[in-house]
Amino acid sequence: NAGVTQTPKFQVLKTGQSMTLQCAQDMNHNSMYWYRQDPGMGLRLIYYSASEGTTDKGEVPNGYNVSRLNKREFSLRLESAAPSQTSVYFCATKEVMNTEAFFGQGTRLTVV
Amino acid sequence: EDKVVQSPLSLVVHEGDTVTLNCSYEVTNFRSLLWYKQEKKAPTFLFMLTSSGIEKKSGRLSSILDKKELSSILNITATQTGDSAIYLCAVANNAGNMLTFGGGTRLMVKP
Repeated sequence: NAGVTQTPKFQVLKTGQSMTLQCAQDMNHNSMYWYRQDPGMGLRLIYYSASEGTTDKGEVPNGYNVSRLNKREFSLRLESAAPSQTSVYFCATKEVMNTEAFFGQGTRLTVV
Repeated sequence: EDKVVQSPLSLVVHEGDTVTLNCSYEVTNFRSLLWYKQEKKAPTFLFMLTSSGIEKKSGRLSSILDKKELSSILNITATQTGDSAIYLCAVANNAGNMLTFGGGTRLMVKP
């Protein structure tokens, strides 16, 4: 039982390059989330998907796009990476009812 | 816009001390409040609170929610060096199950 799987774990990009962060869950949860965490700070919500077929902006959506491919998968795309997007990215999943959120192990992204 | 604020930002204590971490929120259609501990990697779940005044307890950690004051506290008694971490508070709303985190409290416990 893998839970929440993020790929890749580490990535270095040059400014202007694009990439997609992948997140897959086998917990059959409806809601999925993408957060970024900068050094010494909390988690800031980029985008979330309350259920398959829906996506909504969070606190810091600029420079990102998402796709809820199916119930299991929620991807985050950087179309033109910038140094300000250097961060650790976490994917999380949660059921709509009162349950905890489960996290992937994170992707450390550096944009040079 | 949902907002979660944690205080203090950071805290340094010695082993054996008791600490209280605070979380306040402004959320449309509150559903639940969650506490997480984060060491080196992904946050790990501590508590979920939905009802006011009911304390949740796990070993030396406890937490309580005050819906009237829109706040929660996390208490850690007899702190140990292994309690050193970032403690995160999050609030889930009913509108689309949005989950908003606060900025965290960085706790350092010295021997």
